[in-house]
Amino acid sequence: QVELQESGPGLVKPSETLSLTCTVSGGSINDYYWNWIRQTPGKGLEWIGYIYYSGSFRYNPSLKSRVTMSVDTSKNQFSLRLDSVSAADTALYYCARGFDGSGNYARLTFDYWGQGTLVTVSS
Amino acid sequence: DIQMTQSPSSLSASVGDRVTITCRPSQSIATYLNWYQQKPGKAPNLLIHAASNLQSGVPSRFSGRGSGTDFTLTISGLQVEDFATYYCQQSYSSPHTFGGGTKVEIK
Repeated sequence: QVELQESGPGLVKPSETLSLTCTVSGGSINDYYWNWIRQTPGKGLEWIGYIYYSGSFRYNPSLKSRVTMSVDTSKNQFSLRLDSVSAADTALYYCARGFDGSGNYARLTFDYWGQGTLVTVSS
Repeated sequence: DIQMTQSPSSLSASVGDRVTITCRPSQSIATYLNWYQQKPGKAPNLLIHAASNLQSGVPSRFSGRGSGTDFTLTISGLQVEDFATYYCQQSYSSPHTFGGGTKVEIK
């Protein structure tokens, strides 16, 4: 059974960098797309982006200038870095596995999710 | 971005009822539509992918249909454990976007 677990600080100061790691267990990180998704009461579920096991990536244009994702296949982990955070980035952050039902177009369905980690941006 | 509009935003139903939730994307997405169930304090759980394919382990009372710009999720014979919030998500194009959710409450 594949399991994902987010880890990282729950409190980040405004203008600083949010850093989260997702550890994948029970399955290989290879051959899937690894995603970050966040949820707020106001904006609902927002896809942040993915990193493929090979290192290729795609980010949501709304966050693209501030997002960096990375993957460490040797540790079965992938990470999110979000720069210059503000209160608007306060959210429940999920990592999720994505599979591509279309073959090669990164048309992703999210079949396994972490439990989520709440990140609050506040001084 | 493709906007996903779900309706209703909430509904009240009784155990045993048949419930239908609608999702309408702002442009055609073929059948690249997924449905998730989320219970309080939990992550979303995949129910249906590619509009009508039941995810492994999901009860057969859940069904999905549609294509293009009109999709539905139906729960045939609502059970206590089905009271939750349901989301649609398009996987046709990036950025992947979600509907605003439909909260199914006990009448």
